[in-house]
Amino acid sequence: DAGITQSPRHKVTETGTPVTLRCHQTENHRYMYWYRQDPGHGLRLIHYSYGVKDTDKGEVSDGYSVSRSKTEDFLLTLESATSSQTSVYFCAISESAGDEKLFFGSGTQLSVL
Amino acid sequence: SQQGEEDPQALSIQEGENATMNCSYKTSINNLQWYRQNSGRGLVHLILIRSNEREKHSGRLRVTLDTSKKSSSLLITASRAADTASYFCATDGGSGGSNYKLTFGKGTLLTVNP
Repeated sequence: DAGITQSPRHKVTETGTPVTLRCHQTENHRYMYWYRQDPGHGLRLIHYSYGVKDTDKGEVSDGYSVSRSKTEDFLLTLESATSSQTSVYFCAISESAGDEKLFFGSGTQLSVL
Repeated sequence: SQQGEEDPQALSIQEGENATMNCSYKTSINNLQWYRQNSGRGLVHLILIRSNEREKHSGRLRVTLDTSKKSSSLLITASRAADTASYFCATDGGSGGSNYKLTFGKGTLLTVNP
């Protein structure tokens, strides 16, 4: 999957606990994205980054925060997990904005009980 | 909010037949992309068509874009069982929006029966 590693691949956690998902890329791409995928909703953008320490919100950012201290790593944190955050989370990267294709990781299946 | 919407939601065909999926969107775009997702995997980019293009080909894939109708179609010719997957269209923000953020539709599930 184009040099993108998501960890963990699966996680089960309890409501109210903090959770951090990691996306690591070896492509040196500038742009990184976190999406969630849910039945009936397709993929929705949570947060994205356009450079080290440069991040911005997507359409479903409530309850999530991100950090990017290095080009290769983009972390997604659920500050206090809720059952509505049970989903499959995908990290994606692109070399530039706009007319560039996205490369996706394999996803993290998160279950919040 | 969903920018692109695929139609149909599901499509089942026999191997060798052609498969056509449609995408409609709401606002102006700079480009439209199609992605494929096999079960349990991440999305894979298939093809990108720019707003000033009307048709594009890549192997067995043919994509058309009609900006006046705000719609696109993806045609897969001579389908194979390995084409079984979900197919998504994705649009950018156009001239008035952000090019950083692609918005995906809900996808068409294509099943190709051997």
